[in-house]
Amino acid sequence: KAGVTQTPRYLIKTRGQQVTLSCSPISGHRSVSWYQQTPGQGLQFLFEYFSETQRNKGNFPGRFSGRQFSNSRSEMNVSTLELGDSALYLCASSFETANSPLHFGNGTRLTVT
Amino acid sequence: DQQVKQNSPSLSVQEGRISILNCDYTNSMFDYFLWYKKYPAEGPTFLISISSIKDKNEDGRFTVFLNKSAKHLSLHIVPSQPGDSAVYFCAASRQNTGFQKLVFGTGTRLLVSP
Repeated sequence: KAGVTQTPRYLIKTRGQQVTLSCSPISGHRSVSWYQQTPGQGLQFLFEYFSETQRNKGNFPGRFSGRQFSNSRSEMNVSTLELGDSALYLCASSFETANSPLHFGNGTRLTVT
Repeated sequence: DQQVKQNSPSLSVQEGRISILNCDYTNSMFDYFLWYKKYPAEGPTFLISISSIKDKNEDGRFTVFLNKSAKHLSLHIVPSQPGDSAVYFCAASRQNTGFQKLVFGTGTRLLVSP
């Protein structure tokens, strides 16, 4: 069974640009969550999508957005990039049943210069 | 406000011995707890979880203990193997705010030496 797939693995962008990251969940998983990992803040929840609807949101500015498609694949977008957005962005998928563990992809490493 | 804390940034253990990783939390509303293992350049891998209605859960070499009164959980790995060397994160969630919204600790780096 294929795991969570994230593309691309690495990205280098310039301040002010925007970026789109992609995530394909495990087959059968309809919930997709996004997390940001930085050395200073650790792993922080960005948002969660289920059935193409954002169901939960973390404490990030509106520059961070996402969407989910009918096949459960998800994208996240960061606009007007700042140096502090440099991080590992992790996508996770899960079943929608209560307390189903999240399964993470290997992440996209974003560097903003 | 760090709601989930892993106060030991690193731990070194000899192969075959027990590894005990600790985690404390401050929010008494958390009702589901998980442990993840992370290798460099990979995403976190789910290890084991425990609901707040239990105080122990076992899966092979891994056992998680939950002490609700102390707001403390621990992960025991017995016996430890060199392949267990990784960063371990504990995480917590609240059912009524969505179990996908995990709050993570800062991680403990475990080194198991042969």
